[in-house]
Amino acid sequence: ETGVTQTPRHLVMGMTNKKSLKCEQHLGHNAMYWYKQSAKKPLELMFVYSLEERVENNSVPSRFSPECPNSSHLFLHLHTLQPEDSALYLCASSQEAGVGYNEQFFGPGTRLTVL
Amino acid sequence: AQTVTQSQPEMSVQEAETVTLSCTYDTSENNYYLFWYKQPPSRQMILVIRQEAYKQQNATENRFSVNFQKAAKSFSLKISDSQLGDTAMYFCAYHNTDKLIFGTGTRLQVFP
Repeated sequence: ETGVTQTPRHLVMGMTNKKSLKCEQHLGHNAMYWYKQSAKKPLELMFVYSLEERVENNSVPSRFSPECPNSSHLFLHLHTLQPEDSALYLCASSQEAGVGYNEQFFGPGTRLTVL
Repeated sequence: AQTVTQSQPEMSVQEAETVTLSCTYDTSENNYYLFWYKQPPSRQMILVIRQEAYKQQNATENRFSVNFQKAAKSFSLKISDSQLGDTAMYFCAYHNTDKLIFGTGTRLQVFP
């Protein structure tokens, strides 16, 4: 596979469930990102990882827990979510973090519905 | 704080015609980068075009070009010879020192 892949593509979970989103990039990039995309709102940056270290945490609730075991993989662990957390969660990667000209490459997203 | 504003939630254009999507931003920085990203109905976002603020020349990529007005903090996207495959959400984005800031997007529909 090429580019940035995300699994699952769709996820429905109850508020008491624990689930994980997975992202994998095949581009040899050093930076990876999680975004939340809600209707009629700008994409919200959640987390940034650079060389497996978290460099940005945009005041995201602790019910979202990221994990970056290596530079190619990024997870978002979910627990005790709220219905307002329903959204499209996008993963992205770039050559380096914090460099303006670096294009970010996005995955197809996971459509999350919290019941 | 930097912000990006896209004032057109939806636009439509007939195939082969030209359409312009508007974007304004607010910043006190002098050097930065601006982007237009396209998100087709399949949802994978891709880069359309990129502009470096210190370059006065407007960026072009085939049928896509920008009108970058630094003093006015305006960064519009022009799509020439629109094609059905151009139907998508278009996001304007600004990159400051450490992150990408997106607008709310413009949904473009190209009609045959």
